[in-house]
Amino acid sequence: EAGVAQSPRYKIIEKRQSVAFWCNPISGHATLYWYQQILGQGPKLLIQFQNNGVVDDSQLPKDRFSAERLKGVDSTLKIQPAKLEDSAVYLCASSLDSGYTDTQYFGPGTRLTVL
Amino acid sequence: GQQVMQIPQYQHVQEGEDFTTYCNSSTTLSNIQWYKQRPGGHPVFLIQLVKSGEVKKQKRLTFQFGEAKKNSSLHITATQTTDVGTYFCAGPRVTGGGNKLTFGTGTQLKVEL
Repeated sequence: EAGVAQSPRYKIIEKRQSVAFWCNPISGHATLYWYQQILGQGPKLLIQFQNNGVVDDSQLPKDRFSAERLKGVDSTLKIQPAKLEDSAVYLCASSLDSGYTDTQYFGPGTRLTVL
Repeated sequence: GQQVMQIPQYQHVQEGEDFTTYCNSSTTLSNIQWYKQRPGGHPVFLIQLVKSGEVKKQKRLTFQFGEAKKNSSLHITATQTTDVGTYFCAGPRVTGGGNKLTFGTGTQLKVEL
């Protein structure tokens, strides 16, 4: 079974530029998550999708971050414009459903450096 | 807001020594999950504990959920170099529950030969 795919793996941009990350979850997984992991910290949930609907985006900085999952499969996370403090690894995860017994499977992440 | 703290932040051990990390939540948790993240890697699910006082074992790893469901621990017996990584506990967020997780601060384990 293929795991969660993410691209790109690395991205370097200058502040105020825009960037987008892509995630393809495990086939059949209805729930998709985007996390931000700053160096030395645990992952922080940014947004959760159930199929193509947003379940929780309470920790997403909506003035600069946006995410979509239009067809309920792939998802993109965008930052516009980027700030220095956005430097982090952006992890995508998926689970079969949104219950607490549904294991979350993480992708390899995209490491973003903002200069 | 909800906080999940782990101690210690770092631990260096000699191979063969035991290791324990402790997880404390500011709120009562319906369940606790543990993840391992290798250097440069992504978090990998290890286990979930649901019942008060529950103890589960996976080979050399022993996981415990506190009686008050506000703390948990992970104990590794006779560490090996393959145990290197950062161990995170995670609990459901107070707002929303379900599978919206708040991750702990993590304990980074280094094992020396």
